[in-house]
Amino acid sequence: DAGVTQSPTHLIKTRGQQVTLRCSPKSGHDTVSWYQQALGQGPQFIFQYYEEEERQRGNFPDRFSGHQFPNYSSELNVNALLLGDSALYLCASSWMSYEQYFGPGTRLTVT
Amino acid sequence: GQQVMQIPQYQHVQEGEDFTTYCNSSTTLSNIQWYKQRPGGHPVFLIQLVKSGEVKKQKRLTFQFGEAKKNSSLHITATQTTDVGTYFCAGRSNDYKLSFGAGTTVTVRA
Repeated sequence: DAGVTQSPTHLIKTRGQQVTLRCSPKSGHDTVSWYQQALGQGPQFIFQYYEEEERQRGNFPDRFSGHQFPNYSSELNVNALLLGDSALYLCASSWMSYEQYFGPGTRLTVT
Repeated sequence: GQQVMQIPQYQHVQEGEDFTTYCNSSTTLSNIQWYKQRPGGHPVFLIQLVKSGEVKKQKRLTFQFGEAKKNSSLHITATQTTDVGTYFCAGRSNDYKLSFGAGTTVTVRA
């Protein structure tokens, strides 16, 4: 049984560009949450998707948007990238609001 | 908004010693979760506490949820080198949001 997978592993973008990160949840999980983890910090909640709807959102600007597909996979889109968006982006899946399983993350570097 | 604070930020422990990391929330939580992240890795779920005053043990790890459901602690006994990593608490409010603390990074002296 594959766990949570994320792609790509690493990404380098230039300021102002747009990026799309992808996540496939663990089998049987219907809820996907996205987090941003800066170096030396705890994960910061971006938003959560359930039944293809954004259920909750953290304190992130509208430049951060997402989508959940019928197969529960999810995408995170970030527009107009800033240097401060450089971080590890983590996807976590769960069944309802139980324990979350994190993927390995996508390391985004904005230059 | 909800804030979760963790102390200490760093914990340097002699192998074999015990230590405790503490987590405090600005608001009452519906539950609290603990995660461990090894260097270069991703957070791995350890446990979830739901009930007021709940205590759960996993081998050398003891987790406690405060009576007011606003604080929690993780106590590790007889620390081993395998305990190295960053331990995060994450508090869930009634609106499903999970707020992580900044973590306690543990290093072990052999």
